[in-house]
Amino acid sequence: SQTIHQWPATLVQPVGSPLSLECTVEGTSNPNLYWYRQAAGRGLQLLFYSVGIGQISSEVPQNLSASRPQDRQFILSSKKLLLSDSGFYLCALERTINYGYTFGSGTRLTVV
Amino acid sequence: AQTVTQSQPEMSVQEAETVTLSCTYDTSESDYYLFWYKQPPSRQMILVIRQEAYKQQNATENRFSVNFQKAAKSFSLKISDSQLGDAAMYFCAFNGGSQGNLIFGKGTKLSVKP
Repeated sequence: SQTIHQWPATLVQPVGSPLSLECTVEGTSNPNLYWYRQAAGRGLQLLFYSVGIGQISSEVPQNLSASRPQDRQFILSSKKLLLSDSGFYLCALERTINYGYTFGSGTRLTVV
Repeated sequence: AQTVTQSQPEMSVQEAETVTLSCTYDTSESDYYLFWYKQPPSRQMILVIRQEAYKQQNATENRFSVNFQKAAKSFSLKISDSQLGDAAMYFCAFNGGSQGNLIFGKGTKLSVKP
C-alpha cells in the first residue's frame, strides 16, 4: 500500500534561518506530490505540486521553494524564513488520478 | 476559477444524533470530483467520502453520506449516529476533471457532546 512519510513533526526556527522539510513516499512510483500549508483557522493552501523528477509547479509566489530530486522525494525549502511562514505544512500523494490524496502527518513550523 | 465554500465555521451535535455539514462550490466544468476530509486533533487528514459528479447516486460510507445537488453546486455531508470520535475539522474539497489539484474549503469544526 502507498504510504507517505513527513518530517520533522515540529520545528521552531528563528527568522532568517533556512528551512528544509522532507517528504518521502513508498509503495508507488511516479506519483503526483503536493505541498500544502494550513494557517490557523483557515483551509489548506496549495504551495507546490510535482508530476515528476525535477518538475515543480508553484501556485503561490512566496519565500518558499520546492524540489524533487528523486521520484519518491519531495522537499520544501526556504533560504530565509519569515514570521509569516509559520503554519502547518502537509505533504500529499495523489493515489490515483481523481481519487483523492493520502496525506503525511504534517509539520508544525513556528518561526520566532 | 473554482472555489469551495463552507459556510459553517463551527457545528455541534449530540452523541448518537445526526448532523449535516454544508458545502457549496463554483465551477464551469461538468466532470469533476468532490471529497470530504476529516482532520482530528492529531491533524492527520483522512479521506471520508468521495463523489463523482457524473454519478447521480449519492455516495455512502457507513455512517457518512452525502447529498450531492449538481445543479445547485451543493455537496453536504451527513453524519448519522454521531460518535465522540467524529469530533474534528471537516474539509470539503473539489478536484476538476482536467486538473489534479484539490481545492479545499476553510473547514467546519464539529464538536460532539456526550
